[in-house]
This record gives sequence, structure tokens and C-alpha cells, in this order.
Amino acid sequence: GIQVEQSPPDLILQEGANSTLRCNFSDSVNNLQWFHQNPWGQLINLFYIPSGTKQNGRLSATTVATERYSLLYISSSQTTDSGVYFCAVALNSGGSNYKLTFGKGTLLTVNP
Amino acid sequence: DGGITQSPKYLFRKEGQNVTLSCEQNLNHDAMYWYRQDPGQGLRLIYYSQIVNDFQKGDIAEGYSVSREKKESFPLTVTSAQKNPTAFYLCASSPPGTDTQYFGPGTRLTVL
Repeated sequence: GIQVEQSPPDLILQEGANSTLRCNFSDSVNNLQWFHQNPWGQLINLFYIPSGTKQNGRLSATTVATERYSLLYISSSQTTDSGVYFCAVALNSGGSNYKLTFGKGTLLTVNP
Repeated sequence: DGGITQSPKYLFRKEGQNVTLSCEQNLNHDAMYWYRQDPGQGLRLIYYSQIVNDFQKGDIAEGYSVSREKKESFPLTVTSAQKNPTAFYLCASSPPGTDTQYFGPGTRLTVL
């Protein structure tokens, strides 16, 4: 099956710093999503971005499908950004583009 | 309020007992999914359903069963055949015509 690798596994920032999280995947995809899991376990959908660039406030994401990676940028980080960031992808195969495979996540800690 | 609800939030069971986790949504979403998350890991797909009265196995279906008798409801039964049932269980759903998945708050199951 498809492999999803996220880096770094852990990241500690001071409030106000910027960061870049990376997601590499091993095959062509037509579904890529970024999620934030807060300390209580709730997953929030950040971006649906199988290709191109999107921005939402302090967050933006870029996926380069031909090179099989996606980047999530967090600017001016806040303590509420803490949690685990997951990348999830689905193969472009037989209509199964909803069967997401998740990476292991990046644990982000933002200190005040 | 519209959304995805899961109950209970915490569940304790004795080894050898079956247990059913609830997932309800009032968003008129067609597709629903069940995932399992173990500590420090990403999510893994257990079962999914694209329409009422139809569902398919995901990557780790052994020891689990589901039903989809109503569009709004997709309960998951963790049977005694599941060897390591202690985990965090997350339900998700997708709006019609999209692959974006939205998650419920999760149920933490502990088998003693």
C-alpha cells in the first residue's frame, strides 16, 4: 500500500515563530488532506489539497503532486496551534479516493 | 446543531465482552467511516460505508462489525475476537460529491 511519511516527528516552537511541516507519499494520489488533532483528540480538517496551494489565515499548504510531497506552513504560531498534525492521502485507484492512509503525524508544541 | 456525535466519550469493558460504539451525524452526509488510533500513531481505517445498507472492510476489519441501516447512523461493534481492542476510535463522514472527511470527537475504549 501507499506509504506516508511526515517530518519532523516532533517540533517545539516559541510563540510567534514560523514552521514548515512536510508530508512525503510514495504513489500518485488524488486526495490529500491535512488535519490538526488537538490535545483532547478532536481532529479538525485544515485543508483538502491534492495539488496546488491554499491559504487559510496563518496556515497555508502546498502540494506538489508530481514530486509526491506536501508542505504545511504555520506562521506566527500560537499556543493553541499545539497538537498533532496529520497528513492523509488516498490513491487514485478504482474510485477508492476516500480510503485515506494517514502518516504518523508531527507533534507540535508551542510554548508561550 | 449540526455535526458528528460519538458516544460514549470513555468506555470501559471487561475482556471477552462485545461493545458497540455509537456514531451519528445530521449533516446529510452519504459516506461514513470508522478509524482506530493507537498511541503515537496515525489513524487506520476499520470500515467504511458509501450508502445505506452497504459497507466495506478497511485495512484492519478483523474483530469488528458494523451496520448502516440509516443514513445518519453507523455503529461499530468491537467483538471479543479483536485481540487488542483498547484504543481511541474515531468516526468520520463526507458530504456528497466530495472526499473531504469530517471527524467526530472520538470514543476512548479501555478493555480491562
